[in-house]
Amino acid sequence: SAVISQKPSRDICQRGTSLTIQCQVDSQVTMMFWYRQQPGQSLTLIATANQGSEATYESGFVIDKFPISRPNLTFSTLTVSNMSPEDSSIYLCSVDTSEYTGELFFGEGSRLTVL
Amino acid sequence: AQSVAQPEDQVNVAEGNPLTVKCTYSVSGNPYLFWYVQYPNRGLQFLLKYITGDNLVKGSYGFEAEFNKSQTSFHLKKPSALVSDSALYFCAVRDFYGGSQGNLIFGKGTKLSVKP
Repeated sequence: SAVISQKPSRDICQRGTSLTIQCQVDSQVTMMFWYRQQPGQSLTLIATANQGSEATYESGFVIDKFPISRPNLTFSTLTVSNMSPEDSSIYLCSVDTSEYTGELFFGEGSRLTVL
Repeated sequence: AQSVAQPEDQVNVAEGNPLTVKCTYSVSGNPYLFWYVQYPNRGLQFLLKYITGDNLVKGSYGFEAEFNKSQTSFHLKKPSALVSDSALYFCAVRDFYGGSQGNLIFGKGTKLSVKP
């Protein structure tokens, strides 16, 4: 398993601003993932962040809107840029601790409200 | 492409009764199947998984799930529900195809409400 810490846990932001969410893991992991959970909805994968390479974005998500950093094997950031009310969501960081076990472990999430 | 369906938005059960939360899936290769639970204002907690072996898998908090390949289902069950089981439950699948795992794809979630 892994212990994942996300900051901030929640924030209220103004339209047009940007916010960076941090994700810290207590062990080295190869693959980190960022998910979005819109109000009352399921989780949607934004991108996969691997250390030492560019993040891989899913359809509908672009780097200019959601830039991701992965400077080392225990840390990643997701920035939500030029925010609008439609970006109000919970953003969750998750990690894959083993390519053989399959399950992901999740942080508590960062709840963003954009006014 | 892989997908997961949870046909019920909400399941209501009386405490002490058995519960079932339904899930069906579609993958190209061999499925890795998972159940997660989300309590209010919390992240996701892993409950159980099926990768291979016995079709009936047991997980945390007394939950179990049965893999049915012919029906492409992975329903979550518990013999006796507790009020504290009330939460949002997500079924998820990873496609194991060509020697590598795909991304984890989630169903829309089912809200379980257990009444005293």
